[in-house]
Parts: sequence; C-alpha cells; structure tokens
Amino acid sequence: EVQLVESGGGLVQPGRSLKLSCVVSGFNFSYYGMYWIRQAPGKGLEWVAYISSGCSYIYYAETVKGRFTISRDNAKNTLYLQMTSLRSEDTALYYCARQGDGSGVMDAWGQGASVTVSS
Amino acid sequence: DIQMTQSPASLSASLGETVSIECLASEDIYNNLAWYQQKPGKSPQLLIYYASNLQDGVPSRFSGSGSGTQYSLKINSLESEDAATYFCLQDSEYPWTFGGGTKLELK
Repeated sequence: EVQLVESGGGLVQPGRSLKLSCVVSGFNFSYYGMYWIRQAPGKGLEWVAYISSGCSYIYYAETVKGRFTISRDNAKNTLYLQMTSLRSEDTALYYCARQGDGSGVMDAWGQGASVTVSS
Repeated sequence: DIQMTQSPASLSASLGETVSIECLASEDIYNNLAWYQQKPGKSPQLLIYYASNLQDGVPSRFSGSGSGTQYSLKINSLESEDAATYFCLQDSEYPWTFGGGTKLELK
C-alpha cells in the first residue's frame, strides 16, 4: 500500500523556521518525483515545490522561492521542506505528493502537516 | 504564470443528474490538465489526467474533455459520494496552478 506521512508541522512565530518531513512507503521512492502542495484554511490548493527523482530538477512557486528548500533522502525514503522566514500567509496544511509515472501529476498524497505562523 | 479560472464556484444537483465543471486557462495548456476531488478533511484524489484520461480506480461516470484553453469535467448519474470540492490543475508549465475549486452539493 502506498503511504505518505508528513510530520514536523506546528505553531511558529513569524520570521522563524520549520522543517517538514514526508516519509513514504509502498513504492520505490527513488524513482519518483515529489511535490509539496499547501492549502490555507478554507481555501484552495497551491502548488509549492517539486523535486525530481535524482534531484536534477527543482522548481518553486514564486511565493516561496528563496525562503523554502525542497530536498530528499532516497536512502531514508524521505522528502523534506525547509521553510525559513515564515510569514502569516504561509499558514496552511502542507501535503507531500508523488508524481505519477503514467499521469505525470500528483497521484498519491499524504494526509498533510499543519503549519500555523502566528505571534 | 498560467491562470486557471474554474466555474462555477459552487453547484447543487440531485442524485442521478449530470453536471459539468469548467476550467479556462489563460493560455494554451496543450491538454496538460488534471482534475482532483477533495472531500472534507481528506487529501485530494486524482480523477483525470491529460484532460481526458481516467485514473485507475476512478468510476467511469467521471470524464474529462477539452483542448487549448478550455476544459471540462463531467460527472454522470451523480451519486451521494460525489459530494466534494473539485479542482483543476494545469501541469503544462511551472509553476503549476490550480483552479479555485467547485463545491458540489447533493440535494
């Protein structure tokens, strides 16, 4: 069974940092591109970042570029999102998701990690 | 960035009805369009990719169509489990962008 489990969320003050993790199982993590997508409370979905299987390709949304860093450890089956200089508008549920090899889009998602940026 | 305009924002329909949801891209996205279903408190689920390809395990009452800048998701013979919010996603170029969502309510 494909599983993605995010962790590391929480309440953080503006300007501080937080690192999210996503541990996967049930598929060969090293073969798949991965994403982070977020959803502010009661709002729609926002694509945040992408990393290819071998880390050759990395892309960010303009809203997080220069503040967030996506990375992965294929030996640990883990995807990361390092978030710095956090703002109130970064408050959201953060999902990690797998890039489907047939579809090319997100075909499996975690349950999300909640991040609240507030003083 | 490519803007995705999704309509309607909300929709109310009866069991057994057929509904359509539209997404308009700000430029040609060459069929690089996916549809997702999200139920309250749950993660999104992929329904359709590349405009009209049904994801494995998705009921055949869901279908997608369109080309260029205009795309639609059609749900035939609505069932109670179809009550959800639906999002389109363009994966033609980064940054990928989602439509604003359509909340489907069953009467």
